Amino acid sequence: KQEVTQIPAALSVPEGENLVLNCSFTDSAIYNLQWFRQDPGKGLTSLLLIQSSQREQTSGRLNASLDKSSGRSTLYIAASQPGDSATYLCVPNTNAGKSTFGDGTTLTVKP
Amino acid sequence: EAQVTQNPRYLITVTGKKLTVTCSQNMNHEYMSWYRQDPGLGLRQIYYSMNVEVTDKGDVPEGYKVSRKEKRNFPLILESPSPNQTSLYFCASSLRGWNTQYFGPGTRLTVL
Repeated sequence: KQEVTQIPAALSVPEGENLVLNCSFTDSAIYNLQWFRQDPGKGLTSLLLIQSSQREQTSGRLNASLDKSSGRSTLYIAASQPGDSATYLCVPNTNAGKSTFGDGTTLTVKP
Repeated sequence: EAQVTQNPRYLITVTGKKLTVTCSQNMNHEYMSWYRQDPGLGLRQIYYSMNVEVTDKGDVPEGYKVSRKEKRNFPLILESPSPNQTSLYFCASSLRGWNTQYFGPGTRLTVL
């Protein structure tokens, strides 16, 4: 059974800092990995999807990397802003439809 | 507008009273899935469907039923709700089971 660990569980940084969120998973037989953000009381918004054959995926100030063989992914956020404050979730997906969520990293960016 | 809708958004009910939470998507997606989110336990997959008439259990299917009779709808049925099913429920869809998932706004269910 897939297990997903996200470190740190919570992070508080001043505005403008670059930061890295970590995700590790136990079963490397994944098809892709998706990063989401969730605002308090709200649904999930997809940030990036990185295929198992890819090493990196970028969208604006976000960059996700994937090392499938070692079961690790990182989400890099450049020049953080208060609007980035949210919980970030990592989800490795199989091609058979199963998704396992990590517990998330709760990020607070202080003005 | 492309979206996943859930109804109701909020529901308070009593133990044993059957209920259905509806989920609908207008993106012609083949894949749909239900999750529940609980404090300290994160999001856990209940059931998913790779296509019409194809459903499969996720990690926490006990006490739930689903059906997928048409592509756009994927209702979640609680035949006899219990207090431990009090949770925040999310429906999601994607083009296929390995594509980007789009989430609905959530349904907050309280079972007394």
